[in-house]
Amino acid sequence: AQKITQTQPGMFVQEKEAVTLDCTYDTSDPSYGLFWYKQPSSGEMIFLIYQGSYDQQNATEGRYSLNFQKARKSANLVISASQLGDSAMYFCAMREGGRNAGGTSYGKLTFGQGTILTVHP
Amino acid sequence: EPEVTQTPSHQVTQMGQEVILRCVPISNHLYFYWYRQILGQKVEFLVSFYNNEISEKSEIFDDQFSVERPDGSNFTLKIRSTKLEDSAMYFCASLRGERGNQPQHFGDGTRLSIL
Repeated sequence: AQKITQTQPGMFVQEKEAVTLDCTYDTSDPSYGLFWYKQPSSGEMIFLIYQGSYDQQNATEGRYSLNFQKARKSANLVISASQLGDSAMYFCAMREGGRNAGGTSYGKLTFGQGTILTVHP
Repeated sequence: EPEVTQTPSHQVTQMGQEVILRCVPISNHLYFYWYRQILGQKVEFLVSFYNNEISEKSEIFDDQFSVERPDGSNFTLKIRSTKLEDSAMYFCASLRGERGNQPQHFGDGTRLSIL
């Protein structure tokens, strides 16, 4: 079974509008972290936002926010006021397990298939 | 802001040859990773490394692969005898590891092309 599922291969949005990129996950670990990364056409991986499984509030970072619905196991990324520079591939990823003596999680990331976002002027 | 640095940015190698991909993680980071991304596909975990030893590896990371941190700054991935299917973008990542909400920081990747 897929651990991270991104069901939207491609999304289109008009500049200045908001867009939601979907991500669902599957884990039996009660402690996990969810991450979103942006990959522009140049190829680098840029960290956008993090949500911990025990976080009470949805994460926000500037124009990025995470709609975290734990019972549904979904962690959708919302980009507000889209810009042309937001056109890229977006990956949802989950970190589970791999805990050190201090309790910090350092486990591997498992990525979804990605969603290509195109912002139209 | 400190960055993870990968060299070379593009490596072209004949099938069967050995290749070494190099990474310089962020200096105060403790955990190191290699991932690969075959063109058009998702990013896949290869191996994680901590305290000078492998902490986890995937099924992809077979006997042809090895990692090393030879001098306290570099972190290398070696593929002993490359195959056509090793063609991919290889990403190095590092993590400080003090708090659970820290992201892994990725380098810009090495595009490996096997001919």
